[in-house]
Amino acid sequence: DQQVKQNSPSLSVQEGRISILNCDYTNSMFDYFLWYKKYPAEGPTFLISISSIKDKNEDGRFTVFLNKSAKHLSLHIVPSQPGDSAVYFCAASETSGSRLTFGEGTQLTVNP
Amino acid sequence: DTEVTQTPKHLVMGMTNKKSLKCEQHMGHRAMYWYKQKAKKPPELMFVYSYEKLSINESVPSRFSPECPNSSLLNLHLHALQPEDSALYLCASSLSGTDPWGYTFGSGTRLTVV
Repeated sequence: DQQVKQNSPSLSVQEGRISILNCDYTNSMFDYFLWYKKYPAEGPTFLISISSIKDKNEDGRFTVFLNKSAKHLSLHIVPSQPGDSAVYFCAASETSGSRLTFGEGTQLTVNP
Repeated sequence: DTEVTQTPKHLVMGMTNKKSLKCEQHMGHRAMYWYKQKAKKPPELMFVYSYEKLSINESVPSRFSPECPNSSLLNLHLHALQPEDSALYLCASSLSGTDPWGYTFGSGTRLTVV
């Protein structure tokens, strides 16, 4: 049972435009969400997180939006840069625990 | 220091070998984790240590044996592995074993079993 889903395996955008990566979850106990960026053969690098008590969190070019009623979150990257090209993983956790459940990842390609 | 350091970065071992993966952090985190990641798949949790005690074992085969000698170190002892165990092994740490704050991953060990 895939509790965290990223339905788009890949996304391609032009440099300077907005990248929107989506994530859905089914477990209503999840109340903390994280986005990680990953290059091949490297560990995931933390980007941004959001708690369920908020619906938006912003850090520089990265903004995460959470819609609890729809069990949906999205990561916006504005403006997109070629260096943003990587696999992006959505992960979820309960704040009462420390196990992360990951989505399948979305390969983002930003074209110059 | 805000890093999780894993050694070695690459490891090739035969099915009869015994080897160990090492992980170290000096952020004062009291929870440490082993994840396994196969190509084009998300990381999957293997073990969780919380305050140096094993708190979660995700039904991992006994050929993988974790060890947490102290709050900064985590080892994964490998013995009699199979070729299908070839994967990227990721270590992570977080502030405690009861919440996800500060979750940080190492760069991983790329393991190939021949």
